[in-house]
Amino acid sequence: DIVMTQSPDSQAVSLGERATINCKSSQSLLYSSKNKNYLAWYQQKPGQPPKLLIHWASTRESGVPDRFSGSGSGTDFTLTISSLQAEDVAVYFCQQYYSLPYSFGQGTKLEIK
Amino acid sequence: EVQLVESGGGLIQPGGSLRLSCEASGFTFRSYWMHWVRQAPGKGLVWVSRINSDGSNIGYADSVKGRFTISRDNAKNTLYLQMKLLRAEDTAVYYCARAVGYDTPIDSWGQGTLVTVSS
Repeated sequence: DIVMTQSPDSQAVSLGERATINCKSSQSLLYSSKNKNYLAWYQQKPGQPPKLLIHWASTRESGVPDRFSGSGSGTDFTLTISSLQAEDVAVYFCQQYYSLPYSFGQGTKLEIK
Repeated sequence: EVQLVESGGGLIQPGGSLRLSCEASGFTFRSYWMHWVRQAPGKGLVWVSRINSDGSNIGYADSVKGRFTISRDNAKNTLYLQMKLLRAEDTAVYYCARAVGYDTPIDSWGQGTLVTVSS
C-alpha cells in the first residue's frame, strides 16, 4: 500500500503571505506511459466535506482561485497558496489515486497568524 | 448541480449491522464510479470502498474487507454500503463520493452520515 505523508501537520501564516504544504508518497505516483502524476489535493473546512482543488498534481479544478497551485512529480509534491486569504483557513489533504487502496495524507491544518 | 445525499447512519452496538444509502442527482449516475470514504471524529480521511459504473469492479480497504459490501442500483441512482460486524473503530462520518473513472480523482462529495458504534 502507498503511504502518504504530509508536512507540516499545522501551519500559521499571515494574511497575504505564501503558504506551502508538502506531501510525500512511499512510491512514485507517476504513470510514465501517460506522463501523469496520480495526486490530488483537497480542502476541508469545519463541518464540510472535502473539496477537490488540484488533480494530476498540478491541474486546478474549475472555479478554484488561481492563488492555489500544485507542483511536483514522482514522490514529492507541493500545494502552494500564493497569498493567503481568510477563507483559506482549512485542513488540506493530499491523496493518491494511483492504486488501490487509495490513501490520503494525514492532513495539514492551515491557520492565520 | 451535483448532489450526493447520504442516509442510514446512527448509533449501533458493536457487532451490529447497518446499511448506508447515497442518493445521487444532477448527473448521469450510471456513468460514474462511486466511492465511500470515512472520517473518524477529529481525524483524517480514510478510503473505504469503490465500485465501477456497472457494479462489476469492486475494491475494499483491508480494514473492512469481508465485513462491508458496496453496491449500487443505477435505476434508483443510489449507492449503498452494507456494514456488518461493526466495531468501535468503524465510528466515523461516512462520505459518498464520485469519480469519472477508475484512475481519476474523487471530484464530488456528499455531506456525510455519522455512524457511531458503541454499547
